[in-house]
Amino acid sequence: AQTVTQSQPEMSVQEAETVTLSCTYDTSENNYYLFWYKQPPSRQMILVIRQEAYKQQNATENRFSVNFQKAAKSFSLKISDSQLGDTAMYFCAFRSYNTDKLIFGTGTRLQVFP
Amino acid sequence: NAGVTQTPKFQVLKTGQSMTLQCAQDMNHNSMYWYRQDPGMGLRLIYYSASEGTTDKGEVPNGYNVSRLNKREFSLRLESAAPSQTSVYFCASSEAGENTGELFFGEGSRLTVL
Repeated sequence: AQTVTQSQPEMSVQEAETVTLSCTYDTSENNYYLFWYKQPPSRQMILVIRQEAYKQQNATENRFSVNFQKAAKSFSLKISDSQLGDTAMYFCAFRSYNTDKLIFGTGTRLQVFP
Repeated sequence: NAGVTQTPKFQVLKTGQSMTLQCAQDMNHNSMYWYRQDPGMGLRLIYYSASEGTTDKGEVPNGYNVSRLNKREFSLRLESAAPSQTSVYFCASSEAGENTGELFFGEGSRLTVL
């Protein structure tokens, strides 16, 4: 069974600084998606960034980028130039090509300070 | 531009009462999901439906039943609510086989069982 592990329950960063959130996963499959979702206090789940396992190039979306290490089964999220609006829970998630199920990690609570 | 709509947003039940959480999506997605979110545990899959007429158990199905009424609607029923079912419930949908793999979430339903 696939598992997703986020080992940092809480992180904090000063505005305009860079922070990296860690995620590791376990799977025997070769083809899958990895995601980072953001959940602000409003509770809405928002997709931040997505990576397909067959792509070696790391995904980027504006200030958000990932470091995808397939052999190490690691998928970290880097937030550059942190903003107060980045304060939220961040969830790493895994989805195999062979299943419809999305498996989540336990989340990292990020606080951005002025 | 409704996306995924859940009702009700909030509900308080007494132990042993029953209730149904309703979910509807207007994106013509094949797959629909019910997750629960508890502090420190991330989102855990209760049930999912890969297509109209099919349902499958997720990680934590005990105490719940689901109905995929049609392609748009996927309901979650608690037949005899227990305090352990106090949680925030999220419905989500995705296009099975679609190349992004992304799930789209409703705003969540907070359920308290006394």
